[in-house]
Amino acid sequence: QVQLVESGGGVVQPGGSLRLSCVASGFSVTNYAMHWVRQAPGKGLEWVAFIRYDGTLTYHADSVKGRFTIFRDDSKNTLYLQLSSLRGDDTAMYYCAKEDYPANPFDLWGRGTLVTVSP
Amino acid sequence: QSALTQPASVSGSPGQSITISCSGTSSDIGSNNAVSWYQQHPGKAPKLIIYEVTKWPSGVSNRFSGAKSGNTASLTISGLQAEDEADYYCCSHAGIRHWVFGGGTKLTVL
Repeated sequence: QVQLVESGGGVVQPGGSLRLSCVASGFSVTNYAMHWVRQAPGKGLEWVAFIRYDGTLTYHADSVKGRFTIFRDDSKNTLYLQLSSLRGDDTAMYYCAKEDYPANPFDLWGRGTLVTVSP
Repeated sequence: QSALTQPASVSGSPGQSITISCSGTSSDIGSNNAVSWYQQHPGKAPKLIIYEVTKWPSGVSNRFSGAKSGNTASLTISGLQAEDEADYYCCSHAGIRHWVFGGGTKLTVL
């Protein structure tokens, strides 16, 4: 079964760090580009980060550049998002998503993992 | 990168058709065909319903259709059904490996 399952969310203080995981099943992350997308409570979707299928190229949204890092472990078929210097406006549901090809960037989504930044 | 502009809400009666617009710029919607649409029911993950402006993923009803003209994309849902009540988001490629979403449109089926 082709699916994505995120984990690692929780409550963290401002300035803190967290690592989110996304385990892929039914396909290899080495064959597809992957993304992280987030959604603040009651708000819309925001693209966060991208990693190319070969793992050699990454891009991050300006809002998280220098604070968040996307990477993956091919042996575990798992995508990660390292979050640091967290702020209140980083509070959101974080989804990982698979890219079929560039014109079809988010063809499969996980259920998400919730990050709450609070004192 | 600014978000794409969508109406906050639209409504329609069962059986009717509705159209949701998505306005961008020449740097995003106007510069490529990587426009996609997502449906999100409350408490659920988004689901792809249209990609590459007009294409349907496997398993998605052809009651959903997409179009684009200049810097504006649109999603039309025909033969509205109660299950179509959800939030809808447009998305466009917006530069080198950057993507931008619309603010979302809440569809109410009366």
